[in-house]
Amino acid sequence: EAQVTQNPRYLITVTGKKLTVTCSQNMNHEYMSWYRQDPGLGLRQIYYSMNVEATDKGDVPEGYKVSRKEKRNFPLILESPSPNQTSLYFCASSQDRGDYNEQFFGPGTRLTVL
Amino acid sequence: SQQGEEDPQALSIQEGENATMNCSYKTSINNLQWYRQNSGRGLVHLILIRSNEREKHSGRLRVTLDTSKKSSSLLITASRAADTASYFCATATYNQGGKLIFGQGTELSVKP
Repeated sequence: EAQVTQNPRYLITVTGKKLTVTCSQNMNHEYMSWYRQDPGLGLRQIYYSMNVEATDKGDVPEGYKVSRKEKRNFPLILESPSPNQTSLYFCASSQDRGDYNEQFFGPGTRLTVL
Repeated sequence: SQQGEEDPQALSIQEGENATMNCSYKTSINNLQWYRQNSGRGLVHLILIRSNEREKHSGRLRVTLDTSKKSSSLLITASRAADTASYFCATATYNQGGKLIFGQGTELSVKP
């Protein structure tokens, strides 16, 4: 089944404890992206990747890192999480550049930073 | 920044009725997409309409796009209780890093 998977789905952590949220897609998509969803602010892009070893900042990249060593994986890294990073996170993937075809979203990761 | 503004913010209808949601945006776009989200869960892609298209259908869904008014509408016909969800429009523009700009969404409640 074609899908985007994220792990973990739920995570409660403490300030400053490094964490990684994994994202994997099995559709051989070139483009991958991370969003966060917050009440009143909607969905905002954190980082995106046009292809392997090609990543760039979105609208809200502060406090996050990403890497794209393989086509299928695009992990989101929080080196030193803070409470303002408590949010619902979505990974997405798409063929081509991301601005032409539909984007497929993962099930979401609900992160709470205490 | 939010590009898409959706109207209404909330909509409550009876099963079998039609539901119409509207979306407005500010800049020129490559395509506009509609997504559904059930209560804080994942986003499910519903339909994509390109800037050179005016209308598109998929099952019980009908989407229109008016680029001169920078607006789109999503019509769900013969609604079902299972259609209860939040619906978002999202726009994509060339050379913006593939970023989708989402509206705030319309919360649809379909009562049995």
